[in-house]
Order: sequence, then C-alpha cells, then structure tokens
Amino acid sequence: SQKIEQNSEALNIQEGKTATLTCNYTNYSPAYLQWYRQDPGRGPVFLLLIRENEKEKRKERLKVTFDTTLKQSLFHITASQPADSATYLCALLRDYKLSFGAGTTVTVRA
Amino acid sequence: DGGITQSPKYLFRKEGQNVTLSCEQNLNHDAMYWYRQDPGQGLRLIYYSQIVNDFQKGDIAEGYSVSREKKESFPLTVTSAQKNPTAFYLCATHPGDRVLDEQFFGPGTRLTVL
Repeated sequence: SQKIEQNSEALNIQEGKTATLTCNYTNYSPAYLQWYRQDPGRGPVFLLLIRENEKEKRKERLKVTFDTTLKQSLFHITASQPADSATYLCALLRDYKLSFGAGTTVTVRA
Repeated sequence: DGGITQSPKYLFRKEGQNVTLSCEQNLNHDAMYWYRQDPGQGLRLIYYSQIVNDFQKGDIAEGYSVSREKKESFPLTVTSAQKNPTAFYLCATHPGDRVLDEQFFGPGTRLTVL
C-alpha cells in the first residue's frame, strides 16, 4: 500500500540553526510534492511545491529537494527563528487529491 | 484561512447523534475537500467534490455524508455510524483549473463526541 513517512520525532533546535525535515514515500510515483505549515488548532498553509524534474526549490529561508530515485524529499529551514515553530506536512499530489504525511513538529529555541 | 469559513470551531455531541459541520467559501473555487486529522496522523480524505452536484468518496468515507448543492458550500454530516467521530475536521478548496495549485484550508472544527 502507499505510504508517506516523515521524521517520527519532534525536532528541537537552537535559533539560527538549520532544521532538516525528511519525507519518504513508498509505492508512489508522484509528479509533484507539496509542503505545508500547520500551527496548533489551525488549518495547514501551503509553503512550496516541487516537481519531479526539479531537484531543488527555494523560497526565502526555505529549501526543498526532491529525489525520485530515493523516493525522498528534504525540507530545510535555514537561520531558524522561534516563529518557525510549527508542524510541517509533506503531501503528494495525484489527480487533484493530496495524500499527507503525519507531519514533523519543529520547536525553535531562542 | 481567508475566504473559507468553518463553523463552529468547537462542537460537542452525544454519542449516537448525527452532526453537520459547515464549510463555506468565497474564493470561487470549484473543488472542495473534507479531511479528518487525528493526533500523530496525517490528514485523511473523507469526501471531495470537483463540481457542484457531484462528489466522490475519499479514503475514509464510511459513516460520513456530504452534499454540494451550491458552489460555495460543502457541508459534512457525521452520522451515528461513524465509530470514532472525535477528531479535528478540516475543509479545503482548490481552484480546479491548474492541478499544481495548492489547496486552501479553513480553520477547522474540533468535534468531540461524549
């Protein structure tokens, strides 16, 4: 069956450091992968989309990579700030439907 | 959240009662979705609709029902047949014309069945 796995443990990092989150998938051949941010008690908010033919995508302090051979996407938050504390979800897109991972909770300490 | 309203934010019901969750959007988006989120789990798709008067089951449709009589509205009914209804329910929309566009999520409704 199809499966999406993200870092199973929460990530606690010091302000200014880089957070690296992992999204692995099996039995999928997604053409696109999206990353969302979710704050407690709120709906997810879209951050980035990366296509299968793109190795890397950047948006401000965020960087996403997509390796279809490894079936993995990495999400980096550089120069992290306490305001980056949230849960980050990866989602695979197929036929206008998204399948989500469970998310990784990031806490940035001041 | 902008443009998508879910009400109420918190909802309490007794076991065995049906309950309807509201989702209204003013984004003029064609597609609408209902997800359920449980602690430690990803969002799971309940139902989706790509056009008015049409909807399809998602991965966990059992115990739920929907209607799409207007473009702006996609209410979800949690029936007494749903065995574990306590969860955080999220409504989302998508423009529908470009598959790459992101989904827009509402603020969610937290349902607690006592």
